[in-house]
Amino acid sequence: GAVVSQHPSWVICKSGTSVKIECRSLDFQATTMFWYRQFPKQSLMLMATSNEGSKATYEQGVEKDKFLINHASLTLSTLTVTSAHPEDSSFYICSGVGRARSGANVLTFGAGSRLTVL
Amino acid sequence: SQQGEEDPQALSIQEGENATMNCSYKTSINNLQWYRQNSGRGLVHLILIRSNEREKHSGRLRVTLDTSKKSSSLLITASRAADTASYFCATDAGNQFYFGTGTSLTVIP
Repeated sequence: GAVVSQHPSWVICKSGTSVKIECRSLDFQATTMFWYRQFPKQSLMLMATSNEGSKATYEQGVEKDKFLINHASLTLSTLTVTSAHPEDSSFYICSGVGRARSGANVLTFGAGSRLTVL
Repeated sequence: SQQGEEDPQALSIQEGENATMNCSYKTSINNLQWYRQNSGRGLVHLILIRSNEREKHSGRLRVTLDTSKKSSSLLITASRAADTASYFCATDAGNQFYFGTGTSLTVIP
């Protein structure tokens, strides 16, 4: 089945540094990739939708200059948290849109990346 | 916010019992999907129900959908300790997926 490989699974960084998270779709082409943020014991909050070859669409309240999303190919999307601060510590999850046998769109998730900013 | 709501927020049952969780949403949808998340991991797709379907089964899972009430329920029968996880509903409103608040299920062996 479709797999999304997300890397790194856990990163600890100092405040002020930038961190890049990669998501690769394996065995399928993800023309659309969603990026979510999840705080402990909470649901996923959609941050942005990225389409291959175009600019990402950010949800209201998400700083596009803070969370840079690049979707340069059909199999790779990246999220860069720029000048990270402790409040950016969270669990970030990507998902690619694939097709079920029924033809409906379903999400295939990466395993998530835990970001801890000291 | 288009985010849906789920209830209960937390559910604790004995192994072998059935677990029911509910999801309500706000907009018209193409389909509704249920996902499972183990602690600190990504989500896994469980089952999808289209807007023109009322009930669907997959193994020990049974999903219902009531579009007039904008609600869905997920029933897990004969629960097992391995079913312990968080469960989320997600609505597909045309290539936009919004997740419910989630139900944390604990199955006690």
